[in-house]
Amino acid sequence: SQTIHQWPATLVQPVGSPLSLECTVEGTSNPNLYWYRQAAGRGLQLLFYSVGIGQISSEVPQNLSASRPQDRQFILSSKKLLLSDSGFYLCAWSGWVRQETQYFGPGTRLLVL
Amino acid sequence: GENVEQHPSTLSVQEGDSAVIKCTYSDSASNYFPWYKQELGKRPQLIIDIRSNVGEKKDQRIAVTLNKTAKHFSLHITETQPEDSAVYFCAASNPNFGNEKLTFGTGTRLTIIP
Repeated sequence: SQTIHQWPATLVQPVGSPLSLECTVEGTSNPNLYWYRQAAGRGLQLLFYSVGIGQISSEVPQNLSASRPQDRQFILSSKKLLLSDSGFYLCAWSGWVRQETQYFGPGTRLLVL
Repeated sequence: GENVEQHPSTLSVQEGDSAVIKCTYSDSASNYFPWYKQELGKRPQLIIDIRSNVGEKKDQRIAVTLNKTAKHFSLHITETQPEDSAVYFCAASNPNFGNEKLTFGTGTRLTIIP
């Protein structure tokens, strides 16, 4: 069966510091991968998605970037965090057979101070 | 692009009663409509989905209905229980044209009153 991992689970970072969040998927090949952000009490904002290694589509211009160095690894980065970057970051995957059905990882709770 | 509106934003229901959450979508080409449940501090989890070739789908106490003509779909929860308290998100997509993205509604916070 497929499993999706995210780490770290929680992170407290000062403004202006860099960020690296990692997501990995097990049990499937060539998944579509997604990064979402959820502000406290709010909805799901799609940040990036990837249909293959090195293929990244950005949905919202911001100080974040994403990379997919391996088939089942998706990384979210920032060079300098802003206070507004605080939130719950969720990675999701969908299979190449049922591309429309997305399954979410456990999330990373980021607090920027 | 697709736009999904969800109502109500909050809903309180007595335990044992039914709850209904409604969503409308703008793109008539959308053909896949999932519902996710997100408990406090947890990840969203898929609870039911429907495709445009069917009008209704049931899974125990949960059902989803789809009206393609009116471009709206609804989640129905019967015999509500305290564990149904959560935020529910609807979404829509059209994966047939290489569109791998889901467009989400803004969420409904459902509270079950014991």
